[in-house]
Amino acid sequence: EDQVTQSPEALRLQEGESSSLNCSYTVSGLRGLFWYRQDPGKGPEFLFTLYSAGEEKEKERLKATLTKKESFLHITAPKPEDSATYLCAVQVGGTQERYSGGGADGLTFGKGTHLIIQP
Amino acid sequence: EAGVAQSPRYKIIEKRQSVAFWCNPISGHATLYWYQQILGQGPKLLIQFQNNGVVDDSQLPKDRFSAERLKGVDSTLKIQPAKLEDSAVYLCASSLTWNTEAFFGQGTRLTVV
Repeated sequence: EDQVTQSPEALRLQEGESSSLNCSYTVSGLRGLFWYRQDPGKGPEFLFTLYSAGEEKEKERLKATLTKKESFLHITAPKPEDSATYLCAVQVGGTQERYSGGGADGLTFGKGTHLIIQP
Repeated sequence: EAGVAQSPRYKIIEKRQSVAFWCNPISGHATLYWYQQILGQGPKLLIQFQNNGVVDDSQLPKDRFSAERLKGVDSTLKIQPAKLEDSAVYLCASSLTWNTEAFFGQGTRLTVV
């Protein structure tokens, strides 16, 4: 069974204090690893997709990296507006594989890391 | 570009009643998903459509949940009869194709009392 574990569950930082969020996964046939941001009362907002070990992507103060077993979301010099829950998700298989007897395309999410940035 | 639209935003019903949620995906998106998010958890996939066909409904409690996507555009998710444990946020998401990122709506918060 595909598993996604995020740590820590919650993290409180001072403004400007850099840190990293972890997402470890156990899946067969990873096709992509996704990071989403979710604000209270809203749906998840897409941040990044990573497809292969060694890949990195950046957006403003966020940088996502991927290894064969885990992904990190690095937050550099965060601001209060970065406060949110960050969700990691994996996608396995695909339509081609499914038609050949493999999995579907929906995401398996972790529980998220609740990040608070204090001014 | 308009995002994924969902309605209603909030719904309170008594157990054993029925309820329906509506989703209008981003124009041109062939793939549509329904997820259930219980408080403090990540979203859990219920069903995936490719155009108007069901691709994956392995985690949909079919004795009480049903979903359809007529004409390959809008979709409805129905619960009948509802149980207390169905209290959650129901999220609709769509993607251009099966291998591109999904965009989520704001969700419908269901409370079953």
